[in-house]
Amino acid sequence: GIQVEQSPPDLILQEGANSTLRCNFSDSVNNLQWFHQNPWGQLINLFYIPSGTKQNGRLSATTVATERYSLLYISSSQTTDSGVYFCAVQGTGGGNKLTFGTGTQLKVEL
Amino acid sequence: EPEVTQTPSHQVTQMGQEVILRCVPISNHLYFYWYRQILGQKVEFLVSFYNNEISEKSEIFDDQFSVERPDGSNFTLKIRSTKLEDSAMYFCASRENRVFDGYTFGSGTRLTVV
Repeated sequence: GIQVEQSPPDLILQEGANSTLRCNFSDSVNNLQWFHQNPWGQLINLFYIPSGTKQNGRLSATTVATERYSLLYISSSQTTDSGVYFCAVQGTGGGNKLTFGTGTQLKVEL
Repeated sequence: EPEVTQTPSHQVTQMGQEVILRCVPISNHLYFYWYRQILGQKVEFLVSFYNNEISEKSEIFDDQFSVERPDGSNFTLKIRSTKLEDSAMYFCASRENRVFDGYTFGSGTRLTVV
């Protein structure tokens, strides 16, 4: 099946700093989503972005489908951004499910 | 914005007992899913459901598990004879279209088997 790798696995930032999270995938996709898992365990959908660029406030994401990667940018980070960020993809090669990466654990400190 | 609703939010059960986790997908969605996340690990696919039948299932989804859409709104996951290793967060998800739609996830049910 499709493989999804995220980097870095862990990230510690000072409040106000910017960061870039990366997601690499091993095959063509027709669905890619970024999620934020908050401290209560809830999965919050950030972006549905199988290709192109989107922005939502301090967050933006870019997917370059031909090169099989996606980037999530967090600007002016806040302590409430802490949590785990997951990339999840659905491959074009069959199957009707999302495959999740192992996540990036982000901690934003004062 | 429409939501996927899961109940209960947290359930504690004795080993060997049966549990039913409940989900109400978004009303016009056609595809339904269950995922599992063991503490500290990634989210894993369990099963997908369409047109009142299972369309795909993972190796995790063995005979201990079953899914059902008992009426027009609910989607349930039953776990028979629970084991300690079934302790996890279980997420329900739904989507309208098979290909060009995002998945909407519920808030999850945290199952603890003691």
